[in-house]
Amino acid sequence: NAGVTQTPKFQVLKTGQSMTLQCAQDMNHNSMYWYRQDPGMGLRLIYYSASEGTTDKGEVPNGYNVSRLNKREFSLRLESAAPSQTSVYFCASSEDPIRAFPYNEQFFGPGTRLTVL
Amino acid sequence: KNQVEQSPQSLIILEGKNCTLQCNYTVSPFSNLRWYKQDTGRGPVSLTIMTFSENTKSNGRYTATLDADTKQSSLHITASQLSDSASYICVVSALESGGGADGLTFGKGTHLIIQP
Repeated sequence: NAGVTQTPKFQVLKTGQSMTLQCAQDMNHNSMYWYRQDPGMGLRLIYYSASEGTTDKGEVPNGYNVSRLNKREFSLRLESAAPSQTSVYFCASSEDPIRAFPYNEQFFGPGTRLTVL
Repeated sequence: KNQVEQSPQSLIILEGKNCTLQCNYTVSPFSNLRWYKQDTGRGPVSLTIMTFSENTKSNGRYTATLDADTKQSSLHITASQLSDSASYICVVSALESGGGADGLTFGKGTHLIIQP
């Protein structure tokens, strides 16, 4: 099993460009998440999908959109990139939070390092 | 506001020595507390998950403790190895979210360096 995979690993964008970060998991998990990690700050939740067909905003959703394409795939789109979106982006997945309660473990991908000039 | 504070921010110890990392939280109502290890350039990997009824949990040379009354946790690393060099992140889940990951509060992490 590959676990959680993310593409691309690195990306450089110019201000105003758009791009989509891809994430896939092969653990048959219901829930998927997108986080960003910035120096000196903890991981912050951008969006999450509790189950296929649903998405919800997290702590820092502005400037992002998401699509839960199917149970395996959850993509993050930057429509008009800004320098403030320079960050490392992590996708994660977990079993259904209620069914796995209280040990709902999250599994993280390797991250995408994005620089916006 | 739910908060998780970790100390120290960074720590350097010699290979073979023990160390303890601290985590204080104000998340309420509490569901569970997790410790993650994050190697440089990689995603976090879970070390332990503890509920309020568990006050200690081990994973090899890693032992986590939890005092739900004082809202404190510690991660003790025994006989450190070079491969222990990483960031260690404390994460607390709020009960109102069903313990789910959408209700997680992340600490900023402790950066640990093991020197030979």
